[in-house]
Amino acid sequence: DGGITQSPKYLFRKEGQNVTLSCEQNLNHDAMYWYRQDPGQGLRLIYYSQIVNDFQKGDIAEGYSVSREKKESFPLTVTSAQKNPTAFYLCASRGLRDAEDTQYFGPGTRLTVL
Amino acid sequence: GNSVTQMEGPVTLSEEAFLTINCTYTATGYPSLFWYVQYPGEGLQLLLKATKADDKGSNKGFEATYRKETTSFHLEKGSVQVSDSAVYFCALSDKGGSEKLVFGKGMKLTVNP
Repeated sequence: DGGITQSPKYLFRKEGQNVTLSCEQNLNHDAMYWYRQDPGQGLRLIYYSQIVNDFQKGDIAEGYSVSREKKESFPLTVTSAQKNPTAFYLCASRGLRDAEDTQYFGPGTRLTVL
Repeated sequence: GNSVTQMEGPVTLSEEAFLTINCTYTATGYPSLFWYVQYPGEGLQLLLKATKADDKGSNKGFEATYRKETTSFHLEKGSVQVSDSAVYFCALSDKGGSEKLVFGKGMKLTVNP
């Protein structure tokens, strides 16, 4: 059953701690993306990666880091430098063949800083 | 830069009412346009898309037409159901290499029986 999985669904963090959000896809997609969603703000791009071992900053990358060691996986670390990390985080992926430009989303992780 | 402006709501309708959600965009070139839907507590699901001018995307009774002359991609449904209650996002795909999506702020729709 192909798709995108994100874990955990809910995550609680104390101030000053780093946390890592998981994103895995078995769609054989080349590109992967991380978005942040805040109420009334729509979605904003944090980081994206189009190939393994390469990634680029999005519009709000400060306080976040990523890695892309495998095609299937694109974990996001929310560092203590992120001033307001409480949000809903969405991972997406996209195939790069045949001019496919549709992104498919995972179910999201809700992060709350206590 | 590229941007998307859409009706923000929230909007409440009765079942079987007609729905229009306005969406306009600003972009260089010819982006692809999308409508995504988000049900409570879930990720986004693609509702429909259009990749060039005058294309009409349709799915589950929803329709939207890519209007280059008015830079619009309004979403319509002739008769909404309670199950259509969700948040709707208009988005465009930046074809500058990253193909990143630029989203509107979303519109929450509630349909009452």
